[in-house]
Amino acid sequence: GAGVSQTPSNKVTEKGKYVELRCDPISGHTALYWYRQSLGQGPEFLIYFQGTGAADDSGLPNDRFFAVRPEGSVSTLKIQRTERGDSAVYLCASSLAASGDTQYFGPGTRLTVL
Amino acid sequence: AQSVTQLDSHVSVSEGTPVLLRCNYSSSYSPSLFWYVQHPNKGLQLLLKYTSAATLVKGINGFEAEFKKSETSFHLTKPSAHMSDAAEYFCVVSLQEGYSTLTFGKGTMLLVSP
Repeated sequence: GAGVSQTPSNKVTEKGKYVELRCDPISGHTALYWYRQSLGQGPEFLIYFQGTGAADDSGLPNDRFFAVRPEGSVSTLKIQRTERGDSAVYLCASSLAASGDTQYFGPGTRLTVL
Repeated sequence: AQSVTQLDSHVSVSEGTPVLLRCNYSSSYSPSLFWYVQHPNKGLQLLLKYTSAATLVKGINGFEAEFKKSETSFHLTKPSAHMSDAAEYFCVVSLQEGYSTLTFGKGTMLLVSP
């Protein structure tokens, strides 16, 4: 079946602009996660959704970052007033539920802020 | 709190020789441990997962890992490397019970020469 998909695959923007990154999880998966992977590092947790609600947003670096999942399926990560330090690969993962279930990752969106 | 240390940033082997990628973890509770692989421009793929059953875990593509509680280690091995194994490998820890985010190591790049 279809895996996790993310669009766009690449996004180049200018400092100060607003961007939206989209994640389509595996059908039927109720848990959805966003991670950020900077160059040379492992992915770092940003936010976790169980259904429509953000169950844990402790990884969001500041209030410029926000994510939604209005219908409990597709999620959008939104970044306001982008900064060069936001450049990274943003990964989305989904799992059937949350506790102990394997997370399946999408290919990521590479964000470059000029 | 939980953390993961991957002891080597790069490992180079020749095709047909054994692979050893080292990982040590720290966790306040009983951990679940994973190895994920990331090929260039591909999503993270789960290789194997330990969740307190057998301490020797077999994964895909001939990889296996052994959970050693006394050493707090979860090293990844393969008897004979293949060119297609060249990729970045991440050791990951989470809690076994209840909700937990994944905590990634910084990754080990495996280089395989002919």
